[in-house]
Amino acid sequence: SQQGEEDPQALSIQEGENATMNCSYKTSINNLQWYRQNSGRGLVHLILIRSNEREKHSGRLRVTLDTSKKSSSLLITASRAADTASYFCATDGYSGTYKYIFGTGTRLKVLA
Amino acid sequence: GAGVSQSPRYKVAKRGQDVALRCDPISGHVSLFWYQQALGQGPEFLTYFQNEAQLDKSGLPSDRFFAERPEGSVSTLKIQRTQQEDSAVYLCASSPSGGGSGNTIYFGEGSWLTVV
Repeated sequence: SQQGEEDPQALSIQEGENATMNCSYKTSINNLQWYRQNSGRGLVHLILIRSNEREKHSGRLRVTLDTSKKSSSLLITASRAADTASYFCATDGYSGTYKYIFGTGTRLKVLA
Repeated sequence: GAGVSQSPRYKVAKRGQDVALRCDPISGHVSLFWYQQALGQGPEFLTYFQNEAQLDKSGLPSDRFFAERPEGSVSTLKIQRTQQEDSAVYLCASSPSGGGSGNTIYFGEGSWLTVV
């Protein structure tokens, strides 16, 4: 069963534009992670945000977390064609277990 | 190796055939995970090892699925009497420490299984 749902399911933008993806989840969490998956490849870890953090940056990535709304967003600024991929959020359970549950993903296409 | 290595990358099996998928985690990593990813979906948890101990196998879909990590490093996921619904990408992942969350999980490239 999927814990989270990403929104939108698919997003198509022009190179240079910003891309925003949202993730909603159902249960309380300790941590939330974002991953990228290129077509036919494994998942690459992007960023981890803890439940006591509200915002985190890494290069062109900005992640926010709103635990009251059980939602997170991933912003990619100044997008590039190489950012074309599927993006997934993954949440643990509040008990802090190892079992990360993934969402359904947002398929991002950046047009050159 | 530098990353998580999985083999075979691609496997076509006839329905009813047994398959074995191998995972070499990052050296020294305590935790090892198997996930199943259907086309167009997110990965779904199958099982978790801490060293050689299989602490959670709640995600294994049926008793045809079996995983082991006998020496706490390499792991094998075995699927007996494969069926068409087993067609998916099987992802292995590892992380440095055991238990608790907050650790980055490193994924392999996956084993693509097609059952015909």
